[in-house]
Amino acid sequence: GNSVTQMEGPVTLSEEAFLTINCTYTATGYPSLFWYVQYPGEGLQLLLKATKADDKGSNKGFEATYRKETTSFHLEKGSVQVSDSAVYFCALSTGDDKIIFGKGTRLHILP
Amino acid sequence: DTGVSQDPRHKITKRGQNVTFRCDPISEHNRLYWYRQTLGQGPEFLTYFQNEAQLEKSRLLSDRFSAERPKGSFSTLEIQRTEQGDSAMYLCASSWVQDSEAFFGQGTRLTVV
Repeated sequence: GNSVTQMEGPVTLSEEAFLTINCTYTATGYPSLFWYVQYPGEGLQLLLKATKADDKGSNKGFEATYRKETTSFHLEKGSVQVSDSAVYFCALSTGDDKIIFGKGTRLHILP
Repeated sequence: DTGVSQDPRHKITKRGQNVTFRCDPISEHNRLYWYRQTLGQGPEFLTYFQNEAQLEKSRLLSDRFSAERPKGSFSTLEIQRTEQGDSAMYLCASSWVQDSEAFFGQGTRLTVV
């Protein structure tokens, strides 16, 4: 079945550091890929998405590239801020199917 | 439209009682999802609807759980004879079937005592 595996946290970085959160997936067909973010005390919200191979999703300085050959969708940001502290979820959907989430990676940014 | 809304935001109930949660999706969305999230875990799929039709139920969903979406608008999730293991955040999301991006509500936090 479809599944998502992402790196376990927590990840702790200093402000302005480079961020990578790894995500790999298993899916039949051609899934859409997502990163969702959950800030403290708030609901899940979509951060970025990519719907086909080699697409790059980007938002708020975050980027992720859909790599079909490595079945990966790693999240990156060049310079993190304290306000980026949150839990990040990688997810996939095959269109007619439900959205499958990874377990989440908690990110702490130190000032 | 203010997005997906869920009611109540918090519910404390005694073991064995029945509870019902409501979700109002974004009005033009035809797909509606229910998820459950426990501390430190990602959202686990429970069930989803396309319009009023319930298309899939997770094996996680015992027969104590039932969901409806009459007229393809709002949805309710009922849990009968609640158990302590049902304590979790219950999330609702909606989307267009043509675009798999889902928008989530704030969730209903259930505590069974």
